[in-house]
Amino acid sequence: DSGVTQTPKHLITATGQRVTLRCSPRSGDLSVYWYQQSLDQGLQFLIQYYNGEERAKGNILERFSAQQFPDLHSELNLSSLELGDSALYFCASSVDPGLSGYTFGSGTRLTVV
Amino acid sequence: GIQVEQSPPDLILQEGANSTLRCNFSDSVNNLQWFHQNPWGQLINLFYIPSGTKQNGRLSATTVATERYSLLYISSSQTTDSGVYFCAAYYGQNFVFGPGTRLSVLP
Repeated sequence: DSGVTQTPKHLITATGQRVTLRCSPRSGDLSVYWYQQSLDQGLQFLIQYYNGEERAKGNILERFSAQQFPDLHSELNLSSLELGDSALYFCASSVDPGLSGYTFGSGTRLTVV
Repeated sequence: GIQVEQSPPDLILQEGANSTLRCNFSDSVNNLQWFHQNPWGQLINLFYIPSGTKQNGRLSATTVATERYSLLYISSSQTTDSGVYFCAAYYGQNFVFGPGTRLSVLP
């Protein structure tokens, strides 16, 4: 157990629908990072939050949004889902990645049918 | 932005063999990590290694930051070592991942 909790582990939904992925960081970590891993592709950075505030944005679609709550858990909202959104979505947390790196959760596997 | 390259893209080994995986990055970085993604998709942190050499059992890693590369050594490979190995370079405010090396260890 890495200490980073992601739910649900698996999600199957239809095109056009909206889903919410949840991440609880390790105790003491203020930063949360979301990554997308599509089939046969590497990990693409989506967005970072630090203590409730958005810090950095990567290749995140406008249909996607995220937030970090006062208890530091984070949610990634994916709307108007398309077949191409099927992927593994990972959350990572860190106290300071420049000093100690990332710890990843086990991911949420999203299948859009 | 920074480019992170890994070689080889694919590697097939017989159990017990040794291997070296390479990661090159195009700019100076503050940190570098190696991860193993197992066949179930989990990302396991292997090393956090901005510079120098670290060892953990049969695995070791070396980062030469001034020459912008890192190496991951796997000795006496086992079938459980199969999966994809990613290096990630910390640049700006997040880690940028390489494309990975897919390792298959045959019994």
